[in-house]
Amino acid sequence: DSGVTQTPKHLITATGQRVTLRCSPRSGDLSVYWYQQSLDQGLQFLIQYYNGEERAKGNILERFSAQQFPDLHSELNLSSLELGDSALYFCASSVAGAPSNTEAFFGQGTRLTVV
Amino acid sequence: AQKITQTQPGMFVQEKEAVTLDCTYDTSDPSYGLFWYKQPSSGEMIFLIYQGSYDQQNATEGRYSLNFQKARKSANLVISASQLGDSAMYFCAMREEYNFNKFYFGSGTKLNVKP
Repeated sequence: DSGVTQTPKHLITATGQRVTLRCSPRSGDLSVYWYQQSLDQGLQFLIQYYNGEERAKGNILERFSAQQFPDLHSELNLSSLELGDSALYFCASSVAGAPSNTEAFFGQGTRLTVV
Repeated sequence: AQKITQTQPGMFVQEKEAVTLDCTYDTSDPSYGLFWYKQPSSGEMIFLIYQGSYDQQNATEGRYSLNFQKARKSANLVISASQLGDSAMYFCAMREEYNFNKFYFGSGTKLNVKP
């Protein structure tokens, strides 16, 4: 158990809908990262938050948004969903401000299926 | 330019033999970390091994070792005495200390261990 909790584990929704994915980082971790993994693909970095503030942005679509709350949990909002948004969405957390030798701990992922 | 390149989409290895998974990286940051993660078919991301840019010795963790060649910017993962349970996707990742600690991932290598 990595200590990172993602809910829900599975989500099936229709095109055009909006969903919210939730992530609770490990206790004490201030940084949260979101990744998208499409079928048999690598991990695409979406966005990073540090202590409530957006720190870095990757290949995140305008239809997607995220935030990190004062209790450090984070939510990824996906709207106007398309079939191509079907993927495994990972949240990871790590100690913030640490040197680069700190690994990221991953949640189990949320499997999103858009039908 | 790709930050992390894994050129082997898939590999086969005989059980009990050693296998090397290739990874090259691109960075101008003097301080960075290199990581390998394993993703079994169940989907979770499992941290395997870490190598720091200033480390003089190659990292080892049990049957995993990292062949770090800084001048060539390569960080190959060596798995010794392969086991059937090693069959999985393997991702190489890099974290740049001064780039907001973003994690970059490669596209992965799917390893199949044959009995």
